[in-house]
Amino acid sequence: GEQVEQRPPHLSVREGDSAVITCTYTDPNSYYFFWYKQEPGASLQLLMKVFSSTEINEGQGFTVLLNKKDKRLSLNLTAAHPGDSAAYFCAVSDPITGNTGKLIFGLGTTLQVQP
Amino acid sequence: EAAVTQSPRSKVAVTGGKVTLSCHQTNNHDYMYWYRQDTGHGLRLIHYSYVADSTEKGDIPDGYKASRPSQENFSLILELASLSQTAVYFCASSVGGPNYAEQFFGPGTRLTVL
Repeated sequence: GEQVEQRPPHLSVREGDSAVITCTYTDPNSYYFFWYKQEPGASLQLLMKVFSSTEINEGQGFTVLLNKKDKRLSLNLTAAHPGDSAAYFCAVSDPITGNTGKLIFGLGTTLQVQP
Repeated sequence: EAAVTQSPRSKVAVTGGKVTLSCHQTNNHDYMYWYRQDTGHGLRLIHYSYVADSTEKGDIPDGYKASRPSQENFSLILELASLSQTAVYFCASSVGGPNYAEQFFGPGTRLTVL
C-alpha cells in the first residue's frame, strides 16, 4: 500500500529564514494531499489541501509544491517566524481504500524557529 | 466551524483495566476516525467508521474495539489496557465520500497506562 516518508524529522532555522519540509509517496494513483500543523500540546490543524491537478499552492507565508513525476510533496515556509514553531505532518489519501477518506500520514517534522 | 470534542482529555489507567475514550462531533460528518500518536510513529489509524452502528479496522486495530452508536459519537475501547497503549489518542471526522475531504481533529486524549 501507499507509504509516505517525511524529511527532515527535526528542523531548526532562524527567524526570517526559509524552511522546507518534504514528503515522498509511493503510489502514483494518490490524488489528494494535505499538510497539517500541530502546535505543542495541541491538536492538528489543516494548513492546506492539495489536489494533484495543481502543482503549486500558496498560503499565507508558505508554498506547497507537488511534483507528480518524482512523487514528492513539499512545504516551503518562505520567511519563518517563531509562531511557525510546531510539528508539521503531510498526509496522503489512500488510493486503495478510495472513498473511506483514509489518510496515510508522514512521521512529522518538528520545526523550531529561533528569534 | 467544525467541532470535534473528546473526553476525557487525560486519563491514567491500570494495566488490565478497561478504558473507554469518547468522541463527539457536531459537524454532521459521516466519517469518524481514531488515531494514536506516538513519538517516532506519527499518527496511526486504529479504527474508523462511515455510518452509525458500523466500524472498520484501521492499520493497528489489535487491542482496541470501537463503537459508533450514532452519527455524532464514536468510542474507542481498550478492554485490557496494556503499557504499550500509553499514547495520545486523536479522534477526527470528515465528510467522507470523495476522498479529498480533510479530516477535522479533536483536541486529543493523553492516556497513561501504569
